[in-house]
Amino acid sequence: GAGVSQSPSNKVTEKGKDVELRCDPISGHTALYWYRQSLGQGLEFLIYFQGNSAPDKSGLPSDRFSAERTGGSVSTLTIQRTQQEDSAVYLCASSLQGAERSVYGYTFGSGTRLTVV
Amino acid sequence: AQSVTQLDSHVSVSEGTPVLLRCNYSSSYSPSLFWYVQHPNKGLQLLLKYTSAATLVKGINGFEAEFKKSETSFHLTKPSAHMSDAAEYFCVGLNTGFQKLVFGTGTRLLVSP
Repeated sequence: GAGVSQSPSNKVTEKGKDVELRCDPISGHTALYWYRQSLGQGLEFLIYFQGNSAPDKSGLPSDRFSAERTGGSVSTLTIQRTQQEDSAVYLCASSLQGAERSVYGYTFGSGTRLTVV
Repeated sequence: AQSVTQLDSHVSVSEGTPVLLRCNYSSSYSPSLFWYVQHPNKGLQLLLKYTSAATLVKGINGFEAEFKKSETSFHLTKPSAHMSDAAEYFCVGLNTGFQKLVFGTGTRLLVSP
């Protein structure tokens, strides 16, 4: 597609429920990233995919968080047993690989605003 | 490891006056650096990027940034602020070891009439 697409744009869920957030990257972008932006805080790295593998999952805050990517394209971030502190905007970005990454940069989606009540 | 530091959490300017948003980076080798802008309730938009081809980088909407290795800085400037420039600006580095973006804490630009 023309840009990075994230769905849903807004999600309100009850504490304890599981949620799935979806990211559809730009076609041909092999790298995919998930970030979290909490109110009053900066952007926090969660996980990075190169193709379908995740060489860096260091940012996932707990084992309630997981992510997968299939077919080198769509990625799903799953949060199990949501807590109120999970409320944030979850941003996805995609990019080309290798040295091209530094040239063309990263394209971000508009994010999913998650509210846990 | 690479890190970026944005020196001001808020910058206030009057419309028509120059804008300076400061960013310092730490790295043992030439970094890849970006400036992104985020308008309220909008996604992140790439303003400009440093690719080592030129130290003075021009971006969209009249913004530019100069890479100064001696000062480890990559400050963002604009000669004349517009009301529409009011937003949050992020200086971002590329962690080449793990190929992930490292974000500064952001600078909120306020533009008054």
